[in-house]
Amino acid sequence: KNEVEQSPQNLTAQEGEFITINCSYSVGISALHWLQQHPGGGIVSLFMLSSGKKKHGRLIATINIQEKHSSLHITASHPRDSAVYICAVLGSARQLTFGSGTQLTVLP
Amino acid sequence: ETGVTQSPTHLIKTRGQQVTLRCSSQSGHNTVSWYQQALGQGPQFIFQYYREEENGRGNFPPRFSGLQFPNYSSELNVNALELDDSALYLCASSLGGTGLSSADTQYFGPGTRLTVL
Repeated sequence: KNEVEQSPQNLTAQEGEFITINCSYSVGISALHWLQQHPGGGIVSLFMLSSGKKKHGRLIATINIQEKHSSLHITASHPRDSAVYICAVLGSARQLTFGSGTQLTVLP
Repeated sequence: ETGVTQSPTHLIKTRGQQVTLRCSSQSGHNTVSWYQQALGQGPQFIFQYYREEENGRGNFPPRFSGLQFPNYSSELNVNALELDDSALYLCASSLGGTGLSSADTQYFGPGTRLTVL
């Protein structure tokens, strides 16, 4: 079993839909990152959180430390949101452990 | 302030050869981490350098080695290339000695796409 599991693996939505991507992890962590990767490889850090909830524009990230679970929400989705969304956790071994990513496609 | 840059962008090598990938950190960042991302997978941690010293290593064999220079730029060297080494290699810089601070954000470069034939 991977230490970081994401679901779903692939997600197709219509423009304007509310989207949720989930991340579960099995180890103790000091922080959790949500990252966005566009075709070609470039990765952008969206959020880093260790508790509660963060919001940036149409993106919202939540984390429940007790349940070892985080969610990334996108409100009013747009085709430009199409990308791979990756959850990564920072554990005691001083390294980021990544999920395998969720491929999001938003159709116009 | 410049972002994280990597060179080259693409590289083709043959099995058994050696390769050196380069990364320039974001201005002011003293920590560099290297990751390998196989097609369709999430990145895997290779190692991290902090102030020119290795500061953590993932599950990669010794033929993966690195350096960090006084200006905090970094190199990843891979010897005796294998077909499975074909991947996107990402570096990320951050400001934070241990990388354990929850305030530490990693800034990723665009990656180097390595193909081993």
